[in-house]
Amino acid sequence: EAGVTQFPSHSVIEKGQTVTLRCDPISGHDNLYWYRRVMGKEIKFLLHFVKESKQDESGMPNNRFLAERTGGTYSTLKVQPAELEDSGVYFCASSRRAGGGDTQYFGPGTRLTVL
Amino acid sequence: AQSVTQLDSQVPVFEEAPVELRCNYSSSVSVYLFWYVQYPNQGLQLLLKYLSGSTLVKGINGFEAEFNKSQTSFHLRKPSVHISDTAEYFCAVSDYFGNEKLTFGTGTRLTIIP
Repeated sequence: EAGVTQFPSHSVIEKGQTVTLRCDPISGHDNLYWYRRVMGKEIKFLLHFVKESKQDESGMPNNRFLAERTGGTYSTLKVQPAELEDSGVYFCASSRRAGGGDTQYFGPGTRLTVL
Repeated sequence: AQSVTQLDSQVPVFEEAPVELRCNYSSSVSVYLFWYVQYPNQGLQLLLKYLSGSTLVKGINGFEAEFNKSQTSFHLRKPSVHISDTAEYFCAVSDYFGNEKLTFGTGTRLTIIP
């Protein structure tokens, strides 16, 4: 079974540019999560999809961030325009069930650097 | 809302020595508890989790953790560490009531000294 994959692994952009991160969850996992770790701080929740619907987007920092999940499969997270404070590692995770302590399987992350 | 505290940001340990990584949490509701590990240049991998039942939970790679409700702790232990245990370890919680998001601590970087 293939794990969660994320693309790209690294991205370096200038302030004001746009970046799109992609996440492919484990096949059959309806639940998809985005998290972010800013350097030296904790990993923070951004949002949760159930299939193609946003279940919880309480962690999205502001309206420069737009997440989509086309047809309930892969997801994209777009940052437009990027600011310096958006730098960090963006993780995607997926799970079969939502809640009940079901394991979330994480991808390797995308390291975003905004200059 | 929940919070997780990992007081030790870095823990150096000699090879074959025991180790304990501390985790305390705060929550107004019952929670599930998790330990994840991130090896260099890899994603997060689940080590173990506590859902209910026995408070001593065994995980992969010889790790175990004990849930202590009165002290709101979920410390991770291993009796004898190896070089391959060098990694960053994250404690996390999610609540019982359908709020599936994980709340993480700031992580503990474990360094094994040969």
